[in-house]
Amino acid sequence: DAKTTQPTSMDCAEGRAANLPCNHSTISGNEYVYWYRQIHSQGPQYIIHGLKNNETNEMASLIITEDRKSSTLILPHATLRDTAVYYCIVRVEGNQFYFGTGTSLTVIP
Amino acid sequence: NAGVTQTPKFRVLKTGQSMTLLCAQDMNHEYMYWYRQDPGMGLRLIHYSVGEGTTAKGEVPDGYNVSRLKKQNFLLGLESAAPSQTSVYFCASSYAGPIYGYTFGSGTRLTVV
Repeated sequence: DAKTTQPTSMDCAEGRAANLPCNHSTISGNEYVYWYRQIHSQGPQYIIHGLKNNETNEMASLIITEDRKSSTLILPHATLRDTAVYYCIVRVEGNQFYFGTGTSLTVIP
Repeated sequence: NAGVTQTPKFRVLKTGQSMTLLCAQDMNHEYMYWYRQDPGMGLRLIHYSVGEGTTAKGEVPDGYNVSRLKKQNFLLGLESAAPSQTSVYFCASSYAGPIYGYTFGSGTRLTVV
């Protein structure tokens, strides 16, 4: 199973871009990279996912390196409401998600 | 469209008691999942189902049973609750295939005393 490695915590100034890295060096060719976040004790919220190409939606951008061994989630203009734990997950065969401990992002006023 | 609904939201059990957590989804998703989350940790997969009448074990299945008699419902049972099962339980559902993400419920906070 492909596993991910993320920093335990990060800070970001309000209004600045938040760049959250993720390493997934054992990823297979058909495995997607997903990002979720969890605010306080709520259920995880989907942010974005991608396979090979960079992706952008209304919430964030996902940059995947050409060798697919790492990716970066970008929140272009972080707000206080973006303070959360961010999970980078590789979708393994059988469809299950296996969560790590994620990155705790704190947006500072 | 309610999405994924979990009941109850909170529950306190005594050691040895049994209970069932209900997860219901109205999105016609094929796959459903049960996770637990302990303080300061990520979510761990307990059991999952890839279709009506099917179930499979995840990372931490011991002490739990599940059933998927109807496509829209996924039940998680604790036959004899233990303090180690104190946790927040999340249900999720998805369409089949790796291109589809999960939709999560809001969680059930269970305390076993």
